[in-house]
Amino acid sequence: TQLLEQSPQFLSIQEGENLTVYCNSSSVFSSLQWYRQEPGEGPVLLVTVVTGGEVKKLKRLTFQFGDARKDSSLHITAAQPGDTGLYLCAGARYPSNTGKLIFGQGTTLQVKP
Amino acid sequence: GAVVSQHPSWVICKSGTSVKIECRSLDFQATTMFWYRQFPKQSLMLMATSNEGSKATYEQGVEKDKFLINHASLTLSTLTVTSAHPEDSSFYICSARDTYREGSPLHFGNGTRLTVT
Repeated sequence: TQLLEQSPQFLSIQEGENLTVYCNSSSVFSSLQWYRQEPGEGPVLLVTVVTGGEVKKLKRLTFQFGDARKDSSLHITAAQPGDTGLYLCAGARYPSNTGKLIFGQGTTLQVKP
Repeated sequence: GAVVSQHPSWVICKSGTSVKIECRSLDFQATTMFWYRQFPKQSLMLMATSNEGSKATYEQGVEKDKFLINHASLTLSTLTVTSAHPEDSSFYICSARDTYREGSPLHFGNGTRLTVT
């Protein structure tokens, strides 16, 4: 049973388009992280959301944590070829200080010029 | 900033041999480290939690005798794939956080690409 459902799993869009990636769960998380991973490298942390309803922005990326802390979304505005990569959401269950994360299935994003 | 170093970055071995992968925290101490396995274009699957000075905790379905984990110091955990077979070929990644700094984020190594021929 996948505790964190991420969708879509694959996305191919043209440069300049907007997109949203979703992570949904029936479980409550103490925090949720979004990572981006390049081929042959480890994931790199983009953002951590902790408070229900929280919205964080990182340039053209907007991250939202659901009010009930069960879901999150990543919205990219005016996607660029440099945004191409694997995007992963990961949730931390209570207690949150263990470092143990549950990962979603990942979204492979391809932005074509 | 905090860095997790993984070695080797890639390894090719023959079927039946064993391979050791190292995960080091370079400027912080970690009582706990995590080992993941990742198949192409898929997500990270947690294999086990490495605990300094004690036995590792394995996730369901992961053979502890196949994937030996040793966490002998606060800065080093090793994963040994014993009697490797082609189906063990994968990308292995470790992660760790600074145990002694409240709220510190999780840092990932750059992974080890294992190919078993």
